[in-house]
Amino acid sequence: QKEVEQDPGPLSVPEGAIVSLNCTYSNSAFQYFMWYRQYSRKGPELLMYTYSSGNKEDGRFTAQVDKSSKYISLFIRDSQPSDSATYLCAMSASTGGFKTIFGAGTRLFVKA
Amino acid sequence: KAGVTQTPRYLIKTRGQQVTLSCSPISGHRSVSWYQQTPGQGLQFLFEYFSETQRNKGNFPGRFSGRQFSNSRSEMNVSTLELGDSALYLCASRERTGENSPLHFGNGTRLTVT
Repeated sequence: QKEVEQDPGPLSVPEGAIVSLNCTYSNSAFQYFMWYRQYSRKGPELLMYTYSSGNKEDGRFTAQVDKSSKYISLFIRDSQPSDSATYLCAMSASTGGFKTIFGAGTRLFVKA
Repeated sequence: KAGVTQTPRYLIKTRGQQVTLSCSPISGHRSVSWYQQTPGQGLQFLFEYFSETQRNKGNFPGRFSGRQFSNSRSEMNVSTLELGDSALYLCASRERTGENSPLHFGNGTRLTVT
């Protein structure tokens, strides 16, 4: 079993839809949670960075962490064709030297 | 600030050869990590360097090695290349190690082994 599970998709939605992307994890020591966006032929770009449980909002993006369920989510409101990319969840813990572990990534297509 | 720079962007090598990839971190960042990205396995951690010392290592064979220079620039070497080494190799930097700060990635080196 992988430490971080993420559905690879693809996920296809119409423009303007609310998108929900999710990851589950098995290591309860994870404390820091990140979402990255990766466009084709580019490196991952940091979108959101949160610590422990709770919500964080940045523009159209909201990250949620539920440590009791070992479940994290990224919501994208008013999705745009430019949001079409692969979204990777990532997490780390002080144990293990803050090595960052990534999910497999979910491929998102937003259709105009 | 300039981002993480990786060179070259593309490489084609033959089985059995060796290859060296280069990474320049964001100015002021002293930690450099390397990841291998493939469609089947996703992003797999190779190693992390800080102050010219390897601080963390993933589960890759000894053919994969790296080093960091005093200016924080890093190189990664793969010897005796295998077909399965074909992947996107990503370098990421962060300000420090031993505490959490998020990784910032370059655009990678696409290695094809024939």
